Amino acid sequence: DTGVSQNPRHKITKRGQNVTFRCDPISEHNRLYWYRQTLGQGPEFLTYFQNEAQLEKSRLLSDRFSAERPKGSFSTLEIQRTEQGDSAMYLCASSPGTVTYEQYFGPGTRLTVT
Amino acid sequence: GQNIDQPTEMTATEGAIVQINCTYQTSGFNGLFWYQQHAGEAPTFLSYNVLDGLEEKGRFSSFLSRSKGYSYLLLKELQMKDSASYLCAVRGGATNKLIFGTGTLLAVQP
Repeated sequence: DTGVSQNPRHKITKRGQNVTFRCDPISEHNRLYWYRQTLGQGPEFLTYFQNEAQLEKSRLLSDRFSAERPKGSFSTLEIQRTEQGDSAMYLCASSPGTVTYEQYFGPGTRLTVT
Repeated sequence: GQNIDQPTEMTATEGAIVQINCTYQTSGFNGLFWYQQHAGEAPTFLSYNVLDGLEEKGRFSSFLSRSKGYSYLLLKELQMKDSASYLCAVRGGATNKLIFGTGTLLAVQP
């Protein structure tokens, strides 16, 4: 068990470009969450997967954002036509969905849109 | 609506005790979490309360009153490494997503 991993750790892109982030959850965790965090704020929920099914999406997730978890293991978050307001830390968390439903967070991907 | 309030910043002295309060109003409640987050790092789990009362875990304790929509995190014997942001989060809804407060930035001074 190596914890939740995310790649890349940092991404700098120009406005209008597309970016894709990857999250590898703790193995056998069937629940996966994406959050976004800006400076001085707590994380905000974006979307949730149970196995491969995307069961909830926040209103924050505009049509430029899409997330997948094709085989119920790793997940990707894609942002199309990036805007400066997309600059944030994107956090992934996984949970076994039992007992406390504790969520284990990855180190995050810091996106800077110039 | 969803609203979680906690102080923005606090300062305390090494070796002392500090209490960080959190009040919440959420449409669903399946438990309350406290996470610690050092600058530039991921949040790490500290404590979980789902029933009223105090949960103790070493130097950290967390209290919950569901009727008052209130929780606090108590940190004892403060150390310099405790300087971090402390996030209060309510778990809610069918998907058990976490709804976070803005976090309390704690500075521990010598």
